[in-house]
Amino acid sequence: EPEVTQTPSHQVTQMGQEVILRCVPISNHLYFYWYRQILGQKVEFLVSFYNNEISEKSEIFDDQFSVERPDGSNFTLKIRSTKLEDSAMYFCASSDSGLSNQPQHFGDGTRLSIL
Amino acid sequence: AQSVAQPEDQVNVAEGNPLTVKCTYSVSGNPYLFWYVQYPNRGLQFLLKYITGDNLVKGSYGFEAEFNKSQTSFHLKKPSALVSDSALYFCAAETGANNLFFGTGTRLTVIP
Repeated sequence: EPEVTQTPSHQVTQMGQEVILRCVPISNHLYFYWYRQILGQKVEFLVSFYNNEISEKSEIFDDQFSVERPDGSNFTLKIRSTKLEDSAMYFCASSDSGLSNQPQHFGDGTRLSIL
Repeated sequence: AQSVAQPEDQVNVAEGNPLTVKCTYSVSGNPYLFWYVQYPNRGLQFLLKYITGDNLVKGSYGFEAEFNKSQTSFHLKKPSALVSDSALYFCAAETGANNLFFGTGTRLTVIP
C-alpha cells in the first residue's frame, strides 16, 4: 500500500536556525497537510495545501513557517529562526480528495528537537 | 468554537473483553467524524469515518463506532480486545476546508 514518507525521522537543530522538514505524499494525491504534536499533547493542524497554494492555515502557522512543493513529489515545511517551543513531532498527510470521500494518510513524522 | 473531547486519558481492558473509547464533539453543521490510531513512533493510521447514513460505522481491525447525534458522541468500540490493540487513539472532526481537529487522545492498554 502506498505510504507518505517523511525525512528525516529525527532532526536536532540549534535555536535560531532554519530547518526544512521533507515529505513525499502518495503520488496521486492532490491535498497536502502538515500537523504538529507537542510531546504528550494532541495533534494540531498547521496548514493545508492544494493546487500549489495554501488553502487553510491555523493560528500556529505564522510568518515563521512556510510550505512549498518544489517539484512533483516533495512537500516541505520550513521553519525559520526556530524556537525552543517548536520542538514537536511534525506529521505530513495527504489525500486525493475531500474528507467526505477519502481520509488523510499520515507519514510517520519527523521529531524536531530544538536545543 | 468547534471541539472534540475524549474524556478518558487512559482506558484499560482485559484481552477478550469488549472495549469502548469515548468521544464527544461540538461541531457546527453536519459533522464529519474520524478515528485514528497511533502506535509508538508512528504516524496516525485511519480506522474509520462517519460522513452520513448508517449511524454504526465499521472500520479496520474489527473496530466500529456509533454516531449518536442527540448525545453528540462518536464512541469507538470493539467486541473483543486484543493485546495488539494497545495504542493511542484519536477522535477527530473536520472543521472545514478539509482539515482535521483532533481530540487529546486516549491511551488504550489491553491486559493479557
